Amino acid sequence: DIQMTQSPSSLSASVGDRVTMTCRANQVIGTYLNWYQQKPGKAPNLLIYAASTLQSGVPSRFSGSGSGTDFTLTISSLQPEDFATYYCQHSYNTPPTFGQGTKVEMK
Amino acid sequence: EVQLVESGGGLAQPGGSLRLSCAASGFTFSTYNFNWVRQAPGRGPEWVSYISLSGSTIYYTASVKGRFTISRDDARSIVYLQINSLRVEDAAVYYCVASGGGIYRFNHWGQGTQVAVSS
Repeated sequence: DIQMTQSPSSLSASVGDRVTMTCRANQVIGTYLNWYQQKPGKAPNLLIYAASTLQSGVPSRFSGSGSGTDFTLTISSLQPEDFATYYCQHSYNTPPTFGQGTKVEMK
Repeated sequence: EVQLVESGGGLAQPGGSLRLSCAASGFTFSTYNFNWVRQAPGRGPEWVSYISLSGSTIYYTASVKGRFTISRDDARSIVYLQINSLRVEDAAVYYCVASGGGIYRFNHWGQGTQVAVSS
């Protein structure tokens, strides 16, 4: 199974900050990488697929980049509704696996 | 609007069984692949099973093979997950997920149904 490692596990930021988090796969996965946002008590929500394509309806302040083994999710200007946990997930083969998450907390 | 509504969760004993259902509406059911994804408290999501259009292709994560069975009823727009031989480590919120544009692009999620395992 492909292992996905996210860093940091948590970060503190303020509204308006630029926030960046990373995801690393332990083998090459091309751009078969998706990002999700999850708020407490809710299901995850797809933000970005194929490493850099914004899902319909997702604000443009979210962006993704990377290929191969290293990927980045960036929030250009953090908004109050963005405090949540973010997960990366590869879709390269079976089984698809998720990272352990990056929790974005209010500073 | 895409809606996925899970049901069938609850408390069961180790070795017991549950049947989870996922009722879909708001989209053309037969054009989507479906997955079950579970999440234990404080942990990241874990993919459990996949079923393709018309049910011709099915996959399971290794830890549930031989115990879980996924199926779909296109006439009723329902996806099922039969869970047998429950283990303590199966306790989680189970989400029904519709995937489109890629079998593991998890576009639409239900609200989840809780499975608890205890004697």
